[in-house]
Amino acid sequence: DADVTQTPRNRITKTGKRIMLECSQTKGHDRMYWYRQDPGLGLRLIYYSFDVKDINKGEISDGYSVSRQAQAKFSLSLESAIPNQTALYFCATSDNRGHVYNEQFFGPGTRLTVL
Amino acid sequence: SQKIEQNSEALNIQEGKTATLTCNYTNYSPAYLQWYRQDPGRGPVFLLLIRENEKEKRKERLKVTFDTTLKQSLFHITASQPADSATYLCAPPNPVNDYKLSFGAGTTVTVRA
Repeated sequence: DADVTQTPRNRITKTGKRIMLECSQTKGHDRMYWYRQDPGLGLRLIYYSFDVKDINKGEISDGYSVSRQAQAKFSLSLESAIPNQTALYFCATSDNRGHVYNEQFFGPGTRLTVL
Repeated sequence: SQKIEQNSEALNIQEGKTATLTCNYTNYSPAYLQWYRQDPGRGPVFLLLIRENEKEKRKERLKVTFDTTLKQSLFHITASQPADSATYLCAPPNPVNDYKLSFGAGTTVTVRA
């Protein structure tokens, strides 16, 4: 987990507030991902980026935006938080050797609560 | 639509026994499948990858099989230990997601000493 860090680790906020979750990695990977995890639903992909100039929507991007500030940094923003965005958020990275088979390395997660 | 299902029940087993976890997928045929372990409050950690042309893959006490006819992967933990207690996630690529990994909800395994 130390190679992929997330800040903050926990955040409680109110409905309507703008929130930014940050992810940094020292693995030198080009590919970065944001997931949310809800009980019983597994991990769901929000956004992903294959390099600094590449941003792609995942299966549940509505209500979220991202910024890839550098190879090592990928931020997730909730423009106007709502209670159903309460979840555990994970950042992950993978390298681009050999196309799609590569394992992903996850950060420790951010627990977000929207009141 | 494409769907991934893992054992819905948690598994509670005695130390030394074998735990067998199931991952079923419907309406598509992934070229490979990954398995991850997740401990409470932590991010998933990669364990094994198996490709469609591989029937079985092993890593220490872990064994994964991939049956493309049954559309199923089985994950076995042999000679289980209390330290194996965790949630295990299967993750095949999903065409709906442009072949990015789609994670199952996971199966929680508890190994009793």
